[in-house]
Amino acid sequence: AQTVTQSQPEMSVQEAETVTLSCTYDTSESDYYLFWYKQPPSRQMILVIRQEAYKQQNATENRFSVNFQKAAKSFSLKISDSQLGDAAMYFCAYRSYNTDKLIFGTGTRLQVFP
Amino acid sequence: EAQVTQNPRYLITVTGKKLTVTCSQNMNHEYMSWYRQDPGLGLRQIYYSMNVEVTDKGDVPEGYKVSRKEKRNFPLILESPSPNQTSLYFCASRDIIGGFDNEQFFGPGTRLTVL
Repeated sequence: AQTVTQSQPEMSVQEAETVTLSCTYDTSESDYYLFWYKQPPSRQMILVIRQEAYKQQNATENRFSVNFQKAAKSFSLKISDSQLGDAAMYFCAYRSYNTDKLIFGTGTRLQVFP
Repeated sequence: EAQVTQNPRYLITVTGKKLTVTCSQNMNHEYMSWYRQDPGLGLRQIYYSMNVEVTDKGDVPEGYKVSRKEKRNFPLILESPSPNQTSLYFCASRDIIGGFDNEQFFGPGTRLTVL
């Protein structure tokens, strides 16, 4: 069975600085998707970025980028130029190629200080 | 506006009193799922449905039922709620057209408290 591990329960960053959130996963599959979701205090789940395992190029969405290391089964999220609105819980998630189930990590709470 | 709606958003009930949390999506998505979110555990899938009349168990199905009689609706039923079902519940939907990489759309969540 696949598992997703987020080893940082909490992180903090100064506004305008860069922060990296860690995620590792365990799977025996070769084809899968990885996601980072943001959950602000409103509790809405917001997709931040996704990565297809067959793509070697790391995904980027504006200030958000990932470092995908398939052999190491690592999928970290880098937030550049952090903003106060980035403060939230961040979840890493895995999905197999042929299912609808998302497997989530336990989350990292990010605080952003002015 | 494309969205997934859930009702109610907040519910406090007592042990054993049957309840239903509704979920509806207006995007004609085939896939729908229910998740529960608990502190320190992330989100876990309860049930999912790949289309009308097709449902299957996720990781934590005990104590829950679902039905998919219409494509847009996927209600979650708790026949006899217990305090360990106190949680934050999310419904999600996804389109399979275009491949498996389509993102999941999440509803706003339902905060359930069982006394």
